[in-house]
Amino acid sequence: QVQLQESGPGLVKPSETLSLTCAVSGYSISSGYYWGWIRQPPGKGLEWIGSIYHSGSTYYNPSLKSRVTISVDTSKNQFSLKLSSVTAADTAVYYCARSGGYDILTGYYLDAFDIWGQGTMVTVSS
Amino acid sequence: EIVLTQSPGTLSLSPGERATLSCRASQSVSSSYLAWYQQKPGQAPRLLIYGASSRATGIPDRFSGSGSGTDFTLTISRLEPEDFAVYYCQQYGSSLPLTFGGGTKVEIK
Repeated sequence: QVQLQESGPGLVKPSETLSLTCAVSGYSISSGYYWGWIRQPPGKGLEWIGSIYHSGSTYYNPSLKSRVTISVDTSKNQFSLKLSSVTAADTAVYYCARSGGYDILTGYYLDAFDIWGQGTMVTVSS
Repeated sequence: EIVLTQSPGTLSLSPGERATLSCRASQSVSSSYLAWYQQKPGQAPRLLIYGASSRATGIPDRFSGSGSGTDFTLTISRLEPEDFAVYYCQQYGSSLPLTFGGGTKVEIK
């Protein structure tokens, strides 16, 4: 079955760049679907960060867009998140997740997130 | 941005009781692109309902979703011990950003 697994540093210093990777097993990410990132600050709710279509189109939350880059590495069957200029407000559990949908000339559509990784805690602190 | 407001914040019920959770959107959700997730402590969210009323694979039929436009409901017909958790609604589709509600905690009374 399809499984997602996040990895990356658990501690990042303020003003630096947070970098996480999501390894996908059981499915070739170049074959389809959107691959996204969602975060959850301790004790709080969920926030969508952004998603990348298997073809490479990206969609970001406007609240984070200036600091976020999501990319795909098909050779390693994984996708990545980079969040720059982090502050303590970026401390959260970061989840990667899969969603269906399409991205064509006439429009795009992102489906609900049907498969999630277990999440990885990232703390921003000096 | 579509803002989703969930109520109540906390629902205190006993096993076997019926749970009714509400999710209200600040504007109409296109084509009922509304999902519900369940999250237990230390775990990732799990998709329960999509398209406002369709159960995801493997979800028991005691979970049901309804609604359209701006008002949506998740009903758990008879609470099982494993159903005590936090529930989130989410709108998806072409209206970005994708957004989640603030969550409803269903706790044991």
